[in-house]
Amino acid sequence: IAGITQAPTSQILAAGRRMTLRCTQDMRHNAMYWYRQDLGLGLRLIHYSNTAGTTGKGEVPDGYSVSRANTDDFPLTLASAVPSQTSVYFCASKPGPGTYGYTFGSGTRLTVV
Amino acid sequence: EDQVTQSPEALRLQEGESSSLNCSYTVSGLRGLFWYRQDPGKGPEFLFTLYSAGEEKEKERLKATLTKKESFLHITAPKPEDSATYLCAVQAKRDNYGQNFVFGPGTRLSVLP
Repeated sequence: IAGITQAPTSQILAAGRRMTLRCTQDMRHNAMYWYRQDLGLGLRLIHYSNTAGTTGKGEVPDGYSVSRANTDDFPLTLASAVPSQTSVYFCASKPGPGTYGYTFGSGTRLTVV
Repeated sequence: EDQVTQSPEALRLQEGESSSLNCSYTVSGLRGLFWYRQDPGKGPEFLFTLYSAGEEKEKERLKATLTKKESFLHITAPKPEDSATYLCAVQAKRDNYGQNFVFGPGTRLSVLP
């Protein structure tokens, strides 16, 4: 089934630890995105990639990094987790430039303690 | 600054009781307005894209309409399976790659049998 796979589904992480959230899509979409969703704040963009080999910062990039070595994968790394990074993280993609709706993954629920 | 607000925050309907959800937006040149449905514990699912005032899109019991300042999601004779959070988002004309979508906070719809 075409779509986006995120892993893990949920994680409890000790503060200060490093963590990589995985995102893989099989739709050959050029553009990929990482969002976090918090109650009362909605969806906020962390980082994006318009095409393989390029990345950019979104609204809330501090404490996060991404890479885009190929079309299919777009991992999000928390270098040293802090409690304020407790959130639900969604990976999304779309074919490329223009007006397309996103396809979202099922999310990773991360709790930093 | 681009902004999206949604009302009401939550809505409870009896099965078969039609109603509308509102999405009000401010954007400097609209490229597209998007509606998504989000079930608990899942990622948002794309429903519609609207491009210009006067446009309407329909899918089963849902109909989305667009004016220059707001969009409505009309739900006709809803069923319990329509219960979800409905998100609205806008993409500005200047945002060619969709890296600056602005999401609203959502309306949580509950349809009681």
